[in-house]
Amino acid sequence: NAGVTQTPKFQVLKTGQSMTLQCAQDMNHEYMSWYRQDPGMGLRLIHYSVGAGITDQGEVPNGYNVSRSTTEDFPLRLLSAAPSQTSVYFCASSYLRARSTDTQYFGPGTRLTVL
Amino acid sequence: SQQGEEDPQALSIQEGENATMNCSYKTSINNLQWYRQNSGRGLVHLILIRSNEREKHSGRLRVTLDTSKKSSSLLITASRAADTASYFCATMTTDSWGKLQFGAGTQVVVTP
Repeated sequence: NAGVTQTPKFQVLKTGQSMTLQCAQDMNHEYMSWYRQDPGMGLRLIHYSVGAGITDQGEVPNGYNVSRSTTEDFPLRLLSAAPSQTSVYFCASSYLRARSTDTQYFGPGTRLTVL
Repeated sequence: SQQGEEDPQALSIQEGENATMNCSYKTSINNLQWYRQNSGRGLVHLILIRSNEREKHSGRLRVTLDTSKKSSSLLITASRAADTASYFCATMTTDSWGKLQFGAGTQVVVTP
C-alpha cells in the first residue's frame, strides 16, 4: 500500500493563479480531509469528506474548494491564490467508526508559496 | 481559539530522561489523539484514547485522559534522540463530528 500520497511536493504560485493539490489514498478509507499548517502552529482543518459525494467545511474553508467523486481521491482547489495561502498543506484519511474518525493517516505534505 | 492547547510549548531533555507534555481542551470529546511530526515531514499517529478510557500504553508511550479536567498527558519514557519532534494533540468533539482539531504542539528536543 502506498498510503496517502500528495502531489506536488512543492509549488510556487503568483497571486491570482489557480491550482489543484492532489491527494489519493489506497486504504479504502471513507474519511478524507485537508489541513494547512502555518509556522509554529498546529494544523487547521480546511475541508473534509465522509464519503464519495459528501464534503463539508472545516475551520478555514475560504478560498478553497473540494470535491470527492471517488473514495480514493480528494483534490483541493485554490481558486485565486493569495499570499495568505502560503502554507504547508496536508491531506489525511481514516476509517469512520461509530460517528468518530479513527487513526488519521497523513500524506507527506505540499509546500505552497504564493508570491 | 484552538480546542486543544499543549503545554509546554517547548521541552529540552537528555537521552534517558522522561518527557511529559499536557493537552487541555474546551468541549466534550469523542476521542483524543496524539501525533508526532518530525521536522519537514507529515504527522504520524501515536495513540488514540476514547472518552470512556483513562489510560493507554504503546511501547514507551503512556497517555492519560481526565475528562473531568478536560486534559490529557503524553509521557515518553527513556527518551532517545530519535524522539526529537513536535508532538500534537487532536480532539474530536461531540458537537463537531468530523472536525479533528489540533493544538499548536510541543516541540521536544532530546540531546544525546
